Amino acid sequence: DTEVTQTPKHLVMGMTNKKSLKCEQHMGHRAMYWYKQKAKKPPELMFVYSYEKLSINESVPSRFSPECPNSSLLNLHLHALQPEDSALYLCASSQLGTQKLNSPLHFGNGTRLTVT
Amino acid sequence: AQSVTQPDIHITVSEGASLELRCNYSYGATPYLFWYVQSPGQGLQLLLKYFSGDTLVQGIKGFEAEFKRSQSSFNLRKPSVHWSDAAEYFCAKRIIFGKGTRLHILP
Repeated sequence: DTEVTQTPKHLVMGMTNKKSLKCEQHMGHRAMYWYKQKAKKPPELMFVYSYEKLSINESVPSRFSPECPNSSLLNLHLHALQPEDSALYLCASSQLGTQKLNSPLHFGNGTRLTVT
Repeated sequence: AQSVTQPDIHITVSEGASLELRCNYSYGATPYLFWYVQSPGQGLQLLLKYFSGDTLVQGIKGFEAEFKRSQSSFNLRKPSVHWSDAAEYFCAKRIIFGKGTRLHILP
């Protein structure tokens, strides 16, 4: 069982739809991440939130909009996506702090997104 | 920029044989290094990590890795693989991942 829960597991959306991906963790982690993973490729970092504030945006297109409403929740709002955005979207969390740089990422099982 | 290189895209070994997956990292004062495993359709699971101390680290599922600063390497090893070890393996430096090595197991 994963300690990071992602919903939905699968999502099919049209290019004009608006949808949201959700991620939840209750490990007290104060860093949360969104990764995009295409088939047979490594996870690509999209966003990092530290203490509920966006700290890293890896030049992600504005049709992806992250939100961190509290320390346990992370959302990814999707609007006007393209078929090439179809991928597995992974959420992760980790501890924060200068003494915690060796803290690993804890991943959810991802949301498989298909854009039609 | 920090980078991690996994030179082998695919590795095939027979069940019961030993395994070594290679990982090289770009130089950094403290290389926070991790190995993760991903089964199809799943998220990534931590196998082991290194940031200081004993250069041979033990992980879950019988895996170990050796940090060699002189070679900028952090190779993953297992003495005897099981069919259930077939998966994708990622080496990571902090939050940046290598391209992964897919492990195939022959019966």
